[in-house]
Amino acid sequence: GAVVSQHPSWVICKSGTSVKIECRSLDFQATTMFWYRQFPKQSLMLMATSNEGSKATYEQGVEKDKFLINHASLTLSTLTVTSAHPEDSSFYICSARDQLSNGGSRKQYFGPGTRLTVT
Amino acid sequence: QKEVEQDPGPLSVPEGAIVSLNCTYSNSAFQYFMWYRQYSRKGPELLMYTYSSGNKEDGRFTAQVDKSSKYISLFIRDSQPSDSATYLCAMILQGGSEKLVFGKGTKLTVNP
Repeated sequence: GAVVSQHPSWVICKSGTSVKIECRSLDFQATTMFWYRQFPKQSLMLMATSNEGSKATYEQGVEKDKFLINHASLTLSTLTVTSAHPEDSSFYICSARDQLSNGGSRKQYFGPGTRLTVT
Repeated sequence: QKEVEQDPGPLSVPEGAIVSLNCTYSNSAFQYFMWYRQYSRKGPELLMYTYSSGNKEDGRFTAQVDKSSKYISLFIRDSQPSDSATYLCAMILQGGSEKLVFGKGTKLTVNP
């Protein structure tokens, strides 16, 4: 299957600082990537859809100025948590679809996740 | 009513048992169905993918989609302790965005 990586896997930062998380599709190109957050023992909550070369589409209730998304290439999307606070501590996961070589398949592949702790 | 309903369990079975996991949904426009396995503190791993109705088998895993009943299932044969994880069903609308709509996930424990 297709491989999606995330970096870092775990990060601790101080309140008020910004943190950047990278999501890469390693062996395929993805015009669209998705960013989720997951709280303990809960399902994934979609935050935004990241489109290569254009602005991200945010879900209702997600602050676009706080969670900056950049999809600068067909293999890389970044999520920057700006002015992080303890309530931003969570597990952030990205997903991507191989849209260019996989026909009509809607398979989405997830990264391993990034655990953010804000102190 | 939530779009996708999934019993969160927990479900505990002995090693070697057949496991049945299910989801129901309310929107008949869902056409793409997936099952993911998620280990603790890891990203979801795609197990099965089905378009429209029918069965699909891959090793010990079988996915079934019954669109007339709006019901999907995942069967695990000869379950192993390594199958212990949370299983998430997910689906995508035909012709709509590519957003995955998830069930809550079922936590499965396979006891040796």
